[in-house]
Amino acid sequence: GAVVSQHPSWVICKSGTSVKIECRSLDFQATTMFWYRQFPKQSLMLMATSNEGSKATYEQGVEKDKFLINHASLTLSTLTVTSAHPEDSSFYICSALGLAGDTGELFFGEGSRLTVL
Amino acid sequence: GEDVEQSLFLSVREGDSSVINCTYTDSSSTYLYWYKQEPGAGLQLLTYIFSNMDMKQDQRLTVLLNKKDKHLSLRIADTQTGDSAIYFCADLMGDYKLSFGAGTTVTVRA
Repeated sequence: GAVVSQHPSWVICKSGTSVKIECRSLDFQATTMFWYRQFPKQSLMLMATSNEGSKATYEQGVEKDKFLINHASLTLSTLTVTSAHPEDSSFYICSALGLAGDTGELFFGEGSRLTVL
Repeated sequence: GEDVEQSLFLSVREGDSSVINCTYTDSSSTYLYWYKQEPGAGLQLLTYIFSNMDMKQDQRLTVLLNKKDKHLSLRIADTQTGDSAIYFCADLMGDYKLSFGAGTTVTVRA
């Protein structure tokens, strides 16, 4: 089946630094990817929709200047957490939309755990 | 998300059946999904059901959908220790966005 890879799978950084997380679709092209955030023992909350070649669409309450999304190619979307703070510590999961004709299927990455000290 | 609700915990004996329940609010839902998440891992799609179906069976998994009551359930037959995980139901909103429930933690005891 289709595979979506996230990198890094875990990262620890100092407060104030920026961290980039990559989401790659390995064997299909994804014009649309989604970024979710998951707090411990909670559900996944959609942060933004990443569209190849255009600006990301952010959900209400998500700071676009804080969470920069770049979808520069059909197989790669990146999420950059800028000036990270401890409250940004979370599990970030991406999903990529694979389209076959009129049918779409979502494939999830394995997630990236960010810890901000 | 607040549009999808699940019970938070389920404990089941190995070999018994597990039933995880979910309710949703969006009457225009087209697809409903069940995902499995093991500790520290991403989401694994288990199964999904189209809104015009009442039931879908896939090996040990049975999904029941009561569209009138907006109630979805996942039954796992012959539950094994490897089934211990968090199970999320999700509602497909427009533009392929998913609205997730809070997840049900299933613990399988010997």
